[in-house]
Amino acid sequence: DGGITQSPKYLFRKEGQNVTLSCEQNLNHDAMYWYRQDPGQGLRLIYYSQIVNDFQKGDIAEGYSVSREKKESFPLTVTSAQKNPTAFYLCASSIVFADTQYFGPGTRLTVL
Amino acid sequence: AQTVTQSQPEMSVQEAETVTLSCTYDTSESDYYLFWYKQPPSRQMILVIRQEAYKQQNATENRFSVNFQKAAKSFSLKISDSQLGDAAMYFCAYRSLTSGNTPLVFGKGTRLSVIA
Repeated sequence: DGGITQSPKYLFRKEGQNVTLSCEQNLNHDAMYWYRQDPGQGLRLIYYSQIVNDFQKGDIAEGYSVSREKKESFPLTVTSAQKNPTAFYLCASSIVFADTQYFGPGTRLTVL
Repeated sequence: AQTVTQSQPEMSVQEAETVTLSCTYDTSESDYYLFWYKQPPSRQMILVIRQEAYKQQNATENRFSVNFQKAAKSFSLKISDSQLGDAAMYFCAYRSLTSGNTPLVFGKGTRLSVIA
């Protein structure tokens, strides 16, 4: 089945640690995105990538980093510089950047 | 910058009845897409419906339809014959087609409860 997978579903981190959230898609989509969702809020864009080996900052990129070495994969690293990382993180992809986005199931990150 | 406003934080509807969720947006552009996404308790975002601004005909997907009023910058979602499975957060989103690197802009969402 084609789709977007995110792992893990739940992630716990101690303060000061970096953690990496996985996002994989087998839809052959060129563009991929990372969003953050806080309670009672909409989605805010962290980073996006239009093509392999290229990515751009979104509205709230500080404290996060990404890579896009393969078309299928767009991992997000939450660094210790992110002051309030506890949130729900959603990955999405689209055929090309301007097209409809489809979402993965999300990762819930909690900082202990 | 574009903004999307959902003025109803919460709505409720009786099963089998019809409900309309409101969305307004602010833009100076003429070419764009509008979306409604559903986020059930599982929290995965599911595309409900998409509307291209150049199309005058309102989009429809089974029990879901939109009332797109371009001049008023309004994009409401109507759910007919509401079912228990429709209970979710609903997000309205805007996508520019003229500003090539602009991502989706989301509203803050409307939580829909369906009463049996």
